[in-house]
Amino acid sequence: NAGVMQNPRHLVRRRGQEARLRCSPMKGHSHVYWYRQLPEEGLKFMVYLQKENIIDESGMPKERFSAEFPKEGPSILRIQQVVRGDSAAYFCASSPGDAPYFGPGTRLTVT
Amino acid sequence: GIQVEQSPPDLILQEGANSTLRCNFSDSVNNLQWFHQNPWGQLINLFYIPSGTKQNGRLSATTVATERYSLLYISSSQTTDSGVYFCAGDTGGFKTIFGAGTRLFVKA
Repeated sequence: NAGVMQNPRHLVRRRGQEARLRCSPMKGHSHVYWYRQLPEEGLKFMVYLQKENIIDESGMPKERFSAEFPKEGPSILRIQQVVRGDSAAYFCASSPGDAPYFGPGTRLTVT
Repeated sequence: GIQVEQSPPDLILQEGANSTLRCNFSDSVNNLQWFHQNPWGQLINLFYIPSGTKQNGRLSATTVATERYSLLYISSSQTTDSGVYFCAGDTGGFKTIFGAGTRLFVKA
């Protein structure tokens, strides 16, 4: 059973571009979570999704950020018009309903 | 919301030494976990330990849920143990809350 997969592992974007981060949950897991880790900080909750539904997005910035978990395919975290402050590691986690399993993360660098 | 406090914030050990990392929660938590983030940023699950004691090689963890704390023991530390150790838990919902971490450096 493969773990949580994230791609790309590293992503470089210029200011103003869009960033798309993908997360494939573990097989059988229907709950997906996104977390952001700013440099030298712990992980902060962003959003919780189940298939085709956003359950809680209270940790998401109000603008430029969106997330989806379609019926087919991976979950996507989308950041529009990136700014330098978006540079961070973005972790996805999945669970069958209890403790989450974390992916390896995507490190986003905005130049 | 729930507060997660980890101590010490930083720790330097000589290879071979033992250490204890502590995690205090301001409220009861479910699904308490310990993670190791290695110097390359990879987050590794160490323990899922809502209560009791577990051991895995040189690492062990104990959670006393009634007193809202958990301890991570590292014995005979090695340079590969360096990195940041996080504890995390949730309060019955789905938001896993992380502590700020303990930054460990093991010297050869």
